Amino acid sequence: DTAVSQTPKYLVTQMGNDKSIKCEQNLGHDTMYWYKQDSKKFLKIMFSYNNKELIINETVPNRFSPKSPDKAHLNLHINSLELGDSAVYFCASSPRDYYEQYFGPGTRLTVT
Amino acid sequence: GNSVTQMEGPVTLSEEAFLTINCTYTATGYPSLFWYVQYPGEGLQLLLKATKADDKGSNKGFEATYRKETTSFHLEKGSVQVSDSAVYFCALADSGGGADGLTFGKGTHLIIQP
Repeated sequence: DTAVSQTPKYLVTQMGNDKSIKCEQNLGHDTMYWYKQDSKKFLKIMFSYNNKELIINETVPNRFSPKSPDKAHLNLHINSLELGDSAVYFCASSPRDYYEQYFGPGTRLTVT
Repeated sequence: GNSVTQMEGPVTLSEEAFLTINCTYTATGYPSLFWYVQYPGEGLQLLLKATKADDKGSNKGFEATYRKETTSFHLEKGSVQVSDSAVYFCALADSGGGADGLTFGKGTHLIIQP
């Protein structure tokens, strides 16, 4: 019954590695998002994606790339991880033409 | 650009006290406004929303009214409980379309003491 799910919940890795976080939604929504929450709880949009368009926040390094195999999934790939990438990453989804978003439980990424 | 400003806290109250968390916004269009709540170790849950001026969103005893004249969306609850302890986020979505994502305030950490 989980609406938006993410795996893994925790991810600990070393600098320089490449990692992926998976996100799936079973709500039939058209648009999915990735947010980054820093240590002070501040949330910032990284990407939004629907069937036709990827919108990238200009502050996101190109080491981060979203990949959508289908409408229900939006995975986040991160190359050459850096210490500053440590944060909680949230996936979210929303219906077309509506604004409320439904969030996953988050993935806590720790880069050592 | 769009922005949301809210008191950061922590805000500490006793059980059954009255709660107000202030939120003001700056937006170019006619945004929709939201309050989200994040309980410890969990994701964000939509608490309430308002999509146009003078709308009142309400849920679980919480209320907020969209005030266009003061660009505000203050969250209120008449009698808080220990279980309300969480981080509360005010957010807006620009009228240009949902694909732009939400703009969040920095969150207000609420602590309710028995």
